[in-house]
Amino acid sequence: EAEVAQSPRYKITEKSQAVAFWCDPISGHATLYWYRQILGQGPELLVQFQDESVVDDSQLPKDRFSAERLKGVDSTLKIQPAELGDSAMYLCASSHRARGKYEQYFGPGTRLTVT
Amino acid sequence: GENVEQHPSTLSVQEGDSAVIKCTYSDSASNYFPWYKQELGKRPQLIIDIRSNVGEKKDQRIAVTLNKTAKHFSLHITETQPEDSAVYFCAAQGGQNFVFGPGTRLSVLP
Repeated sequence: EAEVAQSPRYKITEKSQAVAFWCDPISGHATLYWYRQILGQGPELLVQFQDESVVDDSQLPKDRFSAERLKGVDSTLKIQPAELGDSAMYLCASSHRARGKYEQYFGPGTRLTVT
Repeated sequence: GENVEQHPSTLSVQEGDSAVIKCTYSDSASNYFPWYKQELGKRPQLIIDIRSNVGEKKDQRIAVTLNKTAKHFSLHITETQPEDSAVYFCAAQGGQNFVFGPGTRLSVLP
């Protein structure tokens, strides 16, 4: 069964450093989502792509976060500079959105610790 | 934008009993309501979903009900088992917006 891939699984970095996370969605899924999940809370949408276009980045802290999906397939989320409050799980999800199918499939996540 | 509330935040039940988790949403345009189960250290997994043209959906021990007028929907788990212990998230989607509730930690006691 196809799955969403993410790397790295774990990342420890010092504050003010740059970090990048990678996501490869399920083949054929046009919609890709990046979420941040703080321990004990629900996932918070950071950015949503439809193919290579951003359709929602209203919750993305654009002064330090950036995301791209240049060819409409895999995606990278970057944080520069990282802050202590960025420590969280970063989840990527994808969905087909064909014939009204909205089901999102999540990757294993990247757990970021900022020291 | 959409706002999703979820109650209770924690729920403990005895094995074999039923569990009910309730969510409310604010955007009347929302038309898709999934429920996800997240075990410790693992990714959220879709367990059931319902669309706005349906009032109830059932899949074995899991059921979801939707009241569009009142803008609330609920997850029902019957005959709970220890492996049902996890955090459950509801979500609401209308158009481009997809918002998760804060989660309910369910503990099924043997």
